[in-house]
Amino acid sequence: EVQLVQSGAEVKKPGESLKISCKGSGYSFTQYWIAWVRQRPGKALEYMGIVYPGDSDTRYSPSFQGQVTMSANKSINTAFLQWTGLKASDTAIYYCAKLFDYADYIDHWGQGTVVTVTS
Amino acid sequence: IQMTQSPSTLSASIGDRVTITCRASQSVSPWLAWYRQKPGKAPELLIYRESNLPSGVPSRFSGSGSGAEFTLTISSLQPDDFATYYCQQYNDYSPVTFGGGTKVEI
Repeated sequence: EVQLVQSGAEVKKPGESLKISCKGSGYSFTQYWIAWVRQRPGKALEYMGIVYPGDSDTRYSPSFQGQVTMSANKSINTAFLQWTGLKASDTAIYYCAKLFDYADYIDHWGQGTVVTVTS
Repeated sequence: IQMTQSPSTLSASIGDRVTITCRASQSVSPWLAWYRQKPGKAPELLIYRESNLPSGVPSRFSGSGSGAEFTLTISSLQPDDFATYYCQQYNDYSPVTFGGGTKVEI
């Protein structure tokens, strides 16, 4: 069974750094792209970009380029999303998700990580 | 590519036939998916490539359309279906985008 298990909720102050994780199991983690999706409170889904755990190749959506960094460690089947200077507007639920194939639909989702940025 | 869903909210009853529309700002065929998001949960895939159901998705869900206009139909609404639905276009030549969502309420 494919599973994506994300790290727990975080509460941070503006300007702080953060790295959240997404551990995959039940499939060949290195052979499928992982997407990150943001959902601000009460808002729609936003596609942030993708990372390929096999070689850590990344593709960022224009709105998120330079705002976050996606990475992966294939030795522990884990993908990461990180910020170096959080803002209140980063408050959201962040989902990792497995793509069926490159530039393809999402076939499995993680449970989400709630990130709250507040002074 | 902009994805516009209508309506944004829909009121319906158990057993109703429900239709949700998704319009793209340009042709995206066949790279169109639909997801259901129950309250407080992660989204789940309902339809991929316009009209294909993944295994395990109930047959009351169907997708249709082509080019830039698509429809998700629920043939007989069940209690589990009171949720928010999103369309998504995905391809290799433009950033992936979701629609704004359609909330199905009792």
